[in-house]
Amino acid sequence: AQSVAQPEDQVNVAEGNPLTVKCTYSVSGNPYLFWYVQYPNRGLQFLLKYITGDNLVKGSYGFEAEFNKSQTSFHLKKPSALVSDSALYFCAVRGYSSASKIIFGSGTRLSIRP
Amino acid sequence: GAVVSQHPSWVICKSGTSVKIECRSLDFQATTMFWYRQFPKQSLMLMATSNEGSKATYEQGVEKDKFLINHASLTLSTLTVTSAHPEDSSFYICSARDTGRTDTQYFGPGTRLTVL
Repeated sequence: AQSVAQPEDQVNVAEGNPLTVKCTYSVSGNPYLFWYVQYPNRGLQFLLKYITGDNLVKGSYGFEAEFNKSQTSFHLKKPSALVSDSALYFCAVRGYSSASKIIFGSGTRLSIRP
Repeated sequence: GAVVSQHPSWVICKSGTSVKIECRSLDFQATTMFWYRQFPKQSLMLMATSNEGSKATYEQGVEKDKFLINHASLTLSTLTVTSAHPEDSSFYICSARDTGRTDTQYFGPGTRLTVL
């Protein structure tokens, strides 16, 4: 069975500092991994995904994520946080089959203080 | 990225009435769309998978007669909440999978349903 864990309900970072939002996963076979961001009363916006290839994936708004197969992790990172990055972030995993459903983590609220 | 639209963005209705929510993929064709429900400060709960030209697949615990899903074309899926009650009040989000170019799921902006 597929599962995703986001161990932190909330992450607080000062503007300009680097940020990390953690995600670990469990899936049979090779995973499709995703990060989405949700602003208040809005749907989810796609940030980035990993399917294969380089372990470091670059996405929208300066975010990147590193796939670590041995640790089954896919942490989201940004070198310098902005106040506008404050939002709810979801990690998600899907199996390779086109019939696989995407499974979401519980979400991590990122708060960037000025 | 690809765009998924949802209409309406919010709706308020009386208990016992039915509400239809539309989900459209604007720049790609989606044979598969998904409907989610999100409670405050919680993650998304998959309600059903909508397949173009066939019946939707509902998740365990979701009443198919209450949440009617129709996926009549490759760009449109609709969710109808029938005989709505206050407990149906929630944030409903649709998603469409772009299997052609990116094999990525894109999400609509959501519909806030309030049943009085």
